[in-house]
Amino acid sequence: QTVVTQEPSFSVSPGGTVTLTCGLNSGSVSTNYYPSWYQQTPGQAPRTLIHSTNIRSSGVPDRFSGSILGNKAALTITGAQADDESDYYCVLYMGIGFWVFGGGTKLTVL
Amino acid sequence: EVQLLESGGGLVQPGGSLRLSCAVSGFTFSNYAMSWVRQAPGKGLEWVSGISGTGGSTYYADSVKGRFTISRDNSKNTLYLQMNSLRAEDTAVYYCASRYYDILTGYMWFDSWGQGTLVTVSS
Repeated sequence: QTVVTQEPSFSVSPGGTVTLTCGLNSGSVSTNYYPSWYQQTPGQAPRTLIHSTNIRSSGVPDRFSGSILGNKAALTITGAQADDESDYYCVLYMGIGFWVFGGGTKLTVL
Repeated sequence: EVQLLESGGGLVQPGGSLRLSCAVSGFTFSNYAMSWVRQAPGKGLEWVSGISGTGGSTYYADSVKGRFTISRDNSKNTLYLQMNSLRAEDTAVYYCASRYYDILTGYMWFDSWGQGTLVTVSS
């Protein structure tokens, strides 16, 4: 069974930099999995942040960036702000129409 | 403006059925594959099902295969999810999402989301 792994929680200081990762229980994440990242605050729908590994969606601040780091996809927030405190989800495309979300990372800014 | 509006959620007994709808506006619906993604209370996102733009291809997560049916009516710009044999573990907010396909790169992602509809399975 394919499992997409994310850190359950992370903490960053205001103005600091944090990197969240998205891995696979078996194998490496590459651009071929079309990794994308979504931000969700409580009670709200997900918001698309990054797609195609490193492309910011329209209106997303440039402090958010995506990449492949080693064998994982990564979301980096540079200069974190208080309103970045959210849940972050990655999703990978497994082929033949199937997608798998990671368990999400709860980011605290304090 | 792109809008996706889910409806049809509610309280249903275990073993019961429910049909969700997602009314879409602001883009050419038939050009987009669509998906349903759910979120159980306090849990993460789970991809549930997807359908191609024509409706000719459908895909299901193992957790719902054989119980849920995804469909679409492109003349009505509406996506559906027929849910049968519902279980307590199907309790979740169900989101519809459009899947963008970049014809130049082949990349795909979920680009627009509805606000969700809550399904509660309980006796």
